Amino acid sequence: KNQVEQSPQSLIILEGKNCTLQCNYTVSPFSNLRWYKQDTGRGPVSLTIMTFSENTKSNGRYTATLDADTKQSSLHITASQLSDSASYICVVNLVYSSASKIIFGSGTRLSIRP
Amino acid sequence: NAGVTQTPKFQVLKTGQSMTLQCAQDMNHNSMYWYRQDPGMGLRLIYYSASEGTTDKGEVPNGYNVSRLNKREFSLRLESAAPSQTSVYFCASRTTGMFSNQPQHFGDGTRLSIL
Repeated sequence: KNQVEQSPQSLIILEGKNCTLQCNYTVSPFSNLRWYKQDTGRGPVSLTIMTFSENTKSNGRYTATLDADTKQSSLHITASQLSDSASYICVVNLVYSSASKIIFGSGTRLSIRP
Repeated sequence: NAGVTQTPKFQVLKTGQSMTLQCAQDMNHNSMYWYRQDPGMGLRLIYYSASEGTTDKGEVPNGYNVSRLNKREFSLRLESAAPSQTSVYFCASRTTGMFSNQPQHFGDGTRLSIL
C-alpha cells in the first residue's frame, strides 16, 4: 500500500477552469509536505511547502491546504493555463530523532485543453 | 545558474554493459541524491550523500554504486546493467541535510534503456 496516495491519477480540464488535486498520507512522524510540479521531460520543481501548523498556503494561482489531523492535503489551481499541463507530485518529509525520510507520491498528470 | 546538471540525457545499453551517470550542482549544496522514476510509481531513492565524503543506501540500492567525488559532483554507476534498470534517473541536491525544510533541486533526468 502506498504511503502517499494521490488522486486522481490523471485529469483533463479546459483552459480557464479550476481543479483540485488530492494527497492522502499514512506515514508519521510528519515534518512537512511539499507539492512539486514536473513538466514533461524535466525534473520536479517545488511549488509550495506546508508544515504541521499551516492550513493554507498560496503561490500565485496555486493554493495548497493541509489537514494534519486527517493526513490530507490538496492543491487547488485557479484559472488554469496551458502551461499548467504537468505532473503534480505530493512529497511528505518525515523526521525521526536522528534521521529523516522523504516519500514521494506517484503524481497526478494534469492536461489543460484549449 | 545551471543548478543541477545531469549527463547524459539519454542512453541505450545492452544487458551486462556498465556505465556511469554524472551529476553536478553549482549551488554549494551539501546533500545530493539519486532517484529513479518508473511509470505509476513515486520517485524512489537509490543512494544519497548527506555531505562530501559520505554516502548511504536508499530504498533501492541493489545493482548500483555511487561516488561523491567532491562537493559538486555525485555519480551513479551501473556495473552490469539489467532490463529492470530501465528507468528515468534523477539527481537532486539540497542545501542542508536531514532536518532541512529547504526543497530539493532536481536535474532534468537521464533516460536509460537496457535492451
